[in-house]
Amino acid sequence: AQSVSQHNHHVILSEAASLELGCNYSYGGTVNLFWYVQYPGQHLQLLLKYFSGDPLVKGIKGFEAEFIKSKFSFNLRKPSVQWSDTAEYFCAVRMAAGNKLTFGGGTRVLVKP
Amino acid sequence: NAGVMQNPRHLVRRRGQEARLRCSPMKGHSHVYWYRQLPEEGLKFMVYLQKENIIDESGMPKERFSAEFPKEGPSILRIQQVVRGDSAAYFCASSPHPGGSNQPQHFGDGTRLSIL
Repeated sequence: AQSVSQHNHHVILSEAASLELGCNYSYGGTVNLFWYVQYPGQHLQLLLKYFSGDPLVKGIKGFEAEFIKSKFSFNLRKPSVQWSDTAEYFCAVRMAAGNKLTFGGGTRVLVKP
Repeated sequence: NAGVMQNPRHLVRRRGQEARLRCSPMKGHSHVYWYRQLPEEGLKFMVYLQKENIIDESGMPKERFSAEFPKEGPSILRIQQVVRGDSAAYFCASSPHPGGSNQPQHFGDGTRLSIL
């Protein structure tokens, strides 16, 4: 069975700092990869997705992620965070021919103003 | 708002009662997914439905839980004889096509179920 691991449960940083959230998955086949964000009291929103092609994916709000197949990783980055980036971030994986998403445990990010 | 609509947002039940959670997918979406998020954990897949069909229920507990997506109306996740361990946030997602067609899933606000 596939699994997704997010290395950090909590991250605290100051505005303008750079952010990198790790995500590793265990599945040897072709996968679709996603990062979702959940702002306090809101539903999950799609930040970015990778299906194929350029492994460096750009999403909304200045986020990007890089798919490194050899490392089974899909880390999320943002060069300079804002207070409004305070949220919980979820990495998710889906087998390319499958339906269900497998989520990581989430990383809570707190950006101090 | 044309997003995925879930109701109620919050539901409180006593042990032994039934809980019914509703999900109306985005307009034009005929594929619905239910996920459960236990406290301090990530979302876990429960069931995938198309209109009138359960496609994948591999994440559903074997007893007390059922789901349907009738031809008319919302998808319903039903939990009978609730226990304290059922307390969680239940999220519904929808997509216009099956998962294998490179379509992301769009999520609702979730229903937070509390069992007294």
